[in-house]
Amino acid sequence: GDSVTQMEGPVTLSEEAFLTINCTYTATGYPSLFWYVQYPGEGLQLLLKATKADDKGSNKGFEATYRKETTSFHLEKGSVQVSDSAVYFCALRNSGGSNYKLTFGKGTLLTVNP
Amino acid sequence: DGGITQSPKYLFRKEGQNVTLSCEQNLNHDAMYWYRQDPGQGLRLIYYSQIVNDFQKGDIAEGYSVSREKKESFPLTVTSAQKNPTAFYLCASSAGQGVSTEAFFGQGTRLTVV
Repeated sequence: GDSVTQMEGPVTLSEEAFLTINCTYTATGYPSLFWYVQYPGEGLQLLLKATKADDKGSNKGFEATYRKETTSFHLEKGSVQVSDSAVYFCALRNSGGSNYKLTFGKGTLLTVNP
Repeated sequence: DGGITQSPKYLFRKEGQNVTLSCEQNLNHDAMYWYRQDPGQGLRLIYYSQIVNDFQKGDIAEGYSVSREKKESFPLTVTSAQKNPTAFYLCASSAGQGVSTEAFFGQGTRLTVV
């Protein structure tokens, strides 16, 4: 079945540092890929998405490129802020028997220190 | 404002009691989902519904039940058969079944069973 693997956290950075959170996936067909963010005590918010190979999703300074050849969708940001501290989830949505459900990675906790 | 409302935010129950978590959306979305979140586990799908009066089991449906009598409502009952019910529960909805369609999440309900 479909699966998503994220880098283990937690990740701790200083403000203005460069961020990379790795995400790889296993899926048949042509899934769409998503990054969601969860702030403490809240639900998930969509951060960005990409729907086909070589697409780049971007939002609020974050970006990720859908790499089919490496089955990856790594999240990057050039300069993180304290307000970026949250849990980040990589997810995919696929067609077929799974009826378009979202499959999530386990999440990566990011802490940004001033 | 359109969105998904989960209530209550915190819920305490004694072991052996059934409890129902509310989820209401005014986004006019056809599909609704229930996820369970545990530390280090990511999100796991409990049940989902694509249309009114129809729903399917997700990956961890045992000990849970749902109903979908109205398009905007998808309540989840955690029964006494659920062996480890203490968790953070998230409700989500999406506009359709397209593979690129994102899901919108509620703020979650934290259930503690003592």
